[in-house]
Amino acid sequence: QQQVKQSPQSLIVQKGGISIINCAYENTAFDYFPWYQQFPGKGPALLIAIRPDVSEKKEGRFTISFNKSAKQFSLHIMDSQPGDSATYFCAASLSHFNKFYFGSGTKLNVKP
Amino acid sequence: NAGVTQTPKFQVLKTGQSMTLQCAQDMNHNSMYWYRQDPGMGLRLIYYSASEGTTDKGEVPNGYNVSRLNKREFSLRLESAAPSQTSVYFCASSHSAQGIFTDTQYFGPGTRLTVL
Repeated sequence: QQQVKQSPQSLIVQKGGISIINCAYENTAFDYFPWYQQFPGKGPALLIAIRPDVSEKKEGRFTISFNKSAKQFSLHIMDSQPGDSATYFCAASLSHFNKFYFGSGTKLNVKP
Repeated sequence: NAGVTQTPKFQVLKTGQSMTLQCAQDMNHNSMYWYRQDPGMGLRLIYYSASEGTTDKGEVPNGYNVSRLNKREFSLRLESAAPSQTSVYFCASSHSAQGIFTDTQYFGPGTRLTVL
């Protein structure tokens, strides 16, 4: 049973558009929600992260929106660029229990 | 700084063979991790080490063993490889020894393993 459910599996966006990737979880004890970006042939790299006491966090063109009551969080990429084409993974941590789970990933393709 | 390095980059094994995947980090990090990545499954934690001399099981530890050789190195061993262990394996490290999964993890480039 997947602890963090991610959608969509793949996403095509035109240059300049907004990319939106969604994740959902069930366990309300999760207390840290990072997003990782992975380019082909490389390891993942941390993009942005949020804790559940904050509803939104923005870093440049990347924004995490967090809805605690719905148990959902999403990544928004504004003004998407071809260089953003990569696979994006959400994740969630149960820090008290040293548990960490990734979503299944979303392959983003930004068309020029 | 090289960051996190992994060897080998590619490996093909026959069922039943054994091998060790090597990982080293030069960032003086306390915690290290091993993940496997499979299509449609994301990354799944195999084992982690919060400090030198300690190791703990992750989500999918069966069929694997680990050794935290020193602060820099964390190896993953497959004693008797099975086709189900065909995957891409990533090593990662992070600075903290406490609250380790709320700290940034730095990943290596991965090892692509095929078990025939």
